Amino acid sequence: SQKIEQNSEALNIQEGKTATLTCNYTNYSPAYLQWYRQDPGRGPVFLLLIRENEKEKRKERLKVTFDTTLKQSLFHITASQPADSATYLCALPGDSNYQLIWGAGTKLIIKP
Amino acid sequence: GAVVSQHPSWVICKSGTSVKIECRSLDFQATTMFWYRQFPKQSLMLMATSNEGSKATYEQGVEKDKFLINHASLTLSTLTVTSAHPEDSSFYICSASDGGGAFFGQGTRLTVV
Repeated sequence: SQKIEQNSEALNIQEGKTATLTCNYTNYSPAYLQWYRQDPGRGPVFLLLIRENEKEKRKERLKVTFDTTLKQSLFHITASQPADSATYLCALPGDSNYQLIWGAGTKLIIKP
Repeated sequence: GAVVSQHPSWVICKSGTSVKIECRSLDFQATTMFWYRQFPKQSLMLMATSNEGSKATYEQGVEKDKFLINHASLTLSTLTVTSAHPEDSSFYICSASDGGGAFFGQGTRLTVV
């Protein structure tokens, strides 16, 4: 069955450094992959979508890569700030339209 | 951007009672709505998919008689947790789609005591 893995351990990064989060998947060939941010007690907020034919996508301080050979996506936040502290989730399309399969998320802590 | 409003944001109820959670699309018509459940430090788990005017499709293992979903209009879907028990305590999130993307509500924290 399809499986998505994200590092379950919290990632602690010093402010100003680049934070890199990993999303690995198996038994799957998704047409696209999405990254979301979730703050405690809130619903996910969409950040970026990258398609299978795109190697890299950028949005302000965010960068996402998608390696379909490795079955892996990397999510980078450059010049990280304490306000970037949150849980970041990757999601892949499910069987029906707009259904998403979610990773468990990685908690990112940016220390001032 | 598209806004999905979920209400209430948190609720505490007694065991055995029922709780209704509303999900509204404020500025678009949601042909499809999804209901998710999330336990602490776990991923969102899809509970059911509902299309306006038709019965919801439940995921395996989700009791349709316990989690009643009504999608009576293009802007409103409701999830009713019937005869709630402490193990139903969780974070419930709705998502709405107009066919052009999916947008999430802010979630509802349900605590059953």
